[in-house]
Amino acid sequence: LAKTTQPISMDSYEGQEVNITCSHNNIATNDYITWYQQFPSQGPRFIIQGYKTKVTNEVASLFIPADRKSSTLSLPRVSLSDTAVYYCLVGDIDNAGNMLTFGGGTRLMVKP
Amino acid sequence: DTGVSQDPRHKITKRGQNVTFRCDPISEHNRLYWYRQTLGQGPEFLTYFQNEAQLEKSRLLSDRFSAERPKGSFSTLEIQRTEQGDSAMYLCASSSFPPGTTGWGRSNYGYTFGSGTRLTVV
Repeated sequence: LAKTTQPISMDSYEGQEVNITCSHNNIATNDYITWYQQFPSQGPRFIIQGYKTKVTNEVASLFIPADRKSSTLSLPRVSLSDTAVYYCLVGDIDNAGNMLTFGGGTRLMVKP
Repeated sequence: DTGVSQDPRHKITKRGQNVTFRCDPISEHNRLYWYRQTLGQGPEFLTYFQNEAQLEKSRLLSDRFSAERPKGSFSTLEIQRTEQGDSAMYLCASSSFPPGTTGWGRSNYGYTFGSGTRLTVV
């Protein structure tokens, strides 16, 4: 399974755009990139998934360069409620049994 | 169906006692996963089922741990002779496999996690 590296923590202020970058140098051809959000005392929540280029949903955007060795989760205009841990994962969608290997995640603190 | 349900939310037990947790997945999901999460760490994979078959177990799952999914619906995770090191949040997740069988499409794949059971062994 491809290993991911992301910053341990980030601080931001309300209304700012936050970009969290994840490195996955050993990503395989069949691997998708998935991001999860976790609040204290809750399970992780799926945010967004992509394979290449750009994906956007109502919550976030995911930017993936052509070499796919990194990805950036972009959260527009964050609010205090976006304070959470964000996990980047890569894995083979067709071999999903042990796909979800979580690293330590990025602790985002949004300040007023 | 409101998502993945886990029961109980909290459990405090004395060292050496047995505990059992229950997970009810999303009804149309055929895969069910158990994870363990300690404070400040990401979730660690324990085991997963496809329908009623347990297909993979992590080395983290010692002989004191056993999981079942007898009818391919809900699952139980039992820990025998609990130790203080077992104190953690135990998370259950479910998914459909192959992806897209719930109408999401192949590029939209994700697990749905429950809120977890927090175990404290004293």
